[in-house]
Amino acid sequence: QKEVEQNSGPLSVPEGAIASLNCTYSDRGSQSFFWYRQYSGKSPELIMFIYSNGDKEDGRFTAQLNKASQYVSLLIRDSQPSDSATYLCAVNVGNEKLTFGTGTRLTIIP
Amino acid sequence: AAGVIQSPRHLIKEKRETATLKCYPIPRHDTVYWYQQGPGQDPQFLISFYEKMQSDKGSIPDRFSAQQFSDYHSELNMSSLELGDSALYFCASSLGPFYTFGSGTRLTVV
Repeated sequence: QKEVEQNSGPLSVPEGAIASLNCTYSDRGSQSFFWYRQYSGKSPELIMFIYSNGDKEDGRFTAQLNKASQYVSLLIRDSQPSDSATYLCAVNVGNEKLTFGTGTRLTIIP
Repeated sequence: AAGVIQSPRHLIKEKRETATLKCYPIPRHDTVYWYQQGPGQDPQFLISFYEKMQSDKGSIPDRFSAQQFSDYHSELNMSSLELGDSALYFCASSLGPFYTFGSGTRLTVV
């Protein structure tokens, strides 16, 4: 079992709809959770981070964390074609390295 | 703002050759990470340095070595290259849990 797992997709969402990306992790000691967006051939770009249980909103993005269920998700509202990318969930235990999930490829359909 | 600089951007090597990738972290960032990302794969952690000392080691082949120099730049040395080493190699630097990735080096082994 991978330490960080994501729904592998690909995920297709109509423009303007809500895209929902899911991630589970195995280490209960994980403290910090990140969502990165990666366009093909480009480096990962941090779009959201969350430390505490509950929701965190930033513009069209909402990260949700449930430590009891070891689950973190990313919602993208009013999806735009420019949101089409691979989304990587990453988990950090203390100040250790980030461990990435395999990514979910998201396509927004105009 | 200064970003993480990686060089070269692209590199083509033949099997059994040696390659050296360079990374210049953001000033005052105390940790440097190297990741390898194969086609369609998530970034795999190779090695990290905290204040010029190796701090963690991941799935880095024995053929690879890395170091961080007094000016904080880091180099990843790869010897006896194999076709399977073809990948994007990312360097990231951080101060605390927030990574900033470089643009990556695309290594192609032929």
